[in-house]
Amino acid sequence: GAVVSQHPSWVICKSGTSVKIECRSLDFQATTMFWYRQFPKQSLMLMATSNEGSKATYEQGVEKDKFLINHASLTLSTLTVTSAHPEDSSFYICSARGGWEGNTEAFFGQGTRLTVV
Amino acid sequence: DAKTTQPPSMDCAEGRAANLPCNHSTISGNEYVYWYRQIHSQGPQYIIHGLKNNETNEMASLIITEDRKSSTLILPHATLRDTAVYYCIVRASNTGKLIFGQGTTLQVKP
Repeated sequence: GAVVSQHPSWVICKSGTSVKIECRSLDFQATTMFWYRQFPKQSLMLMATSNEGSKATYEQGVEKDKFLINHASLTLSTLTVTSAHPEDSSFYICSARGGWEGNTEAFFGQGTRLTVV
Repeated sequence: DAKTTQPPSMDCAEGRAANLPCNHSTISGNEYVYWYRQIHSQGPQYIIHGLKNNETNEMASLIITEDRKSSTLILPHATLRDTAVYYCIVRASNTGKLIFGQGTTLQVKP
């Protein structure tokens, strides 16, 4: 399958600082990227959907000013957690899809584990 | 989005076929059924998807009932490395979003 790469794989930051996570599609052009968050022993929760060149669409309850998403090119999307606090510590995962058709599968990055201390 | 229902956990003996069921009784006619799995602390891995016909690839087979209200993922010869959480997802046809449920934790035992 297609390759989606996230960077960094893990990050530890101090409370109040901002952290940027990158998501790249390595061998295809991603028209749509999705960002998820996963807490321990829970399922993935969709945070937002981003289409290249347009503003991200956030799921209900997700603060768009806290989780800034940029999808400036067809191969790169970034998620910035601003003013991070310990409760933002989680596993963040992106996925990318290359087409609009219903049968186009999405591929996932390996995830980024964020720990805020 | 159509909801899916899966058993929370299943066991399977190594070398045997693992049959993972999924109910999606409110699925719409143009919505696809997707299966992903997640091994601990990794991103989900795509397995297979289908609309109404049965599908097979190198990883698994997907059997969809004629009324499309349920499906079964079959891993023909389970190995210890197949131990993971398996997610059955009906993808929203208009937005393309994948909404994850709780999935089935499959434990393959020697």
